[in-house]
Amino acid sequence: GAVVSQHPSRVICKSGTSVKIECRSLDFQATTMFWYRQFPKQSLMLMATSNEGSKATYEQGVEKDKFLINHASLTLSTLTVTSAHPEDSSFYICSASGGRSYGYTFGSGTRLTVV
Amino acid sequence: AQSVTQLDSQVPVFEEAPVELRCNYSSSVSVYLFWYVQYPNQGLQLLLKYLSGSTLVKGINGFEAEFNKSQTSFHLRKPSVHISDTAEYFCAVSEDTDKLIFGTGTRLQVFP
Repeated sequence: GAVVSQHPSRVICKSGTSVKIECRSLDFQATTMFWYRQFPKQSLMLMATSNEGSKATYEQGVEKDKFLINHASLTLSTLTVTSAHPEDSSFYICSASGGRSYGYTFGSGTRLTVV
Repeated sequence: AQSVTQLDSQVPVFEEAPVELRCNYSSSVSVYLFWYVQYPNQGLQLLLKYLSGSTLVKGINGFEAEFNKSQTSFHLRKPSVHISDTAEYFCAVSEDTDKLIFGTGTRLQVFP
């Protein structure tokens, strides 16, 4: 089946630094990738949608200059949290889709802790 | 705009008992519906999905769900649960875009 690899699984960084999270579709070409944020005991909040070769579409309230998304190829999307602060600490999950009826495959998530 | 409601935030149940996790959606057009399971500190795993055709959908781990268009529901069921089914379950809907919108989740707790 479809596999999405997300790295790192955990990262601790100092306040003010930037962190990059990678999301790769290993055995299929993802026309669209999605980035979610999940707070403890809560649902997934869609942050942005990215299509290969074009700018990401951010959901209302998500700072695009803080959460930089790059979708350079059909198998790789990256999320960079710039100038991270403790309030950015969260669980970030990516998802890749080969099309709406094809389905959505999720990465295993990244636990970001900003100290 | 589409939305998903999972009325039960927590569902406690004893092992080998049946369980139903409720999901209702609102949409003015045809939708695709999904159920995902999430174990602690992990991503989401697809249990089953409804795209079209038969309204009764069978998924992995013995789960099934029934699409009811008139009641705009997509409830998840399992006739006999195991301890290992303890997890967070999310219902999700996709309308006419690629976006997947999630419900707030239901915590299924299975007791021995």
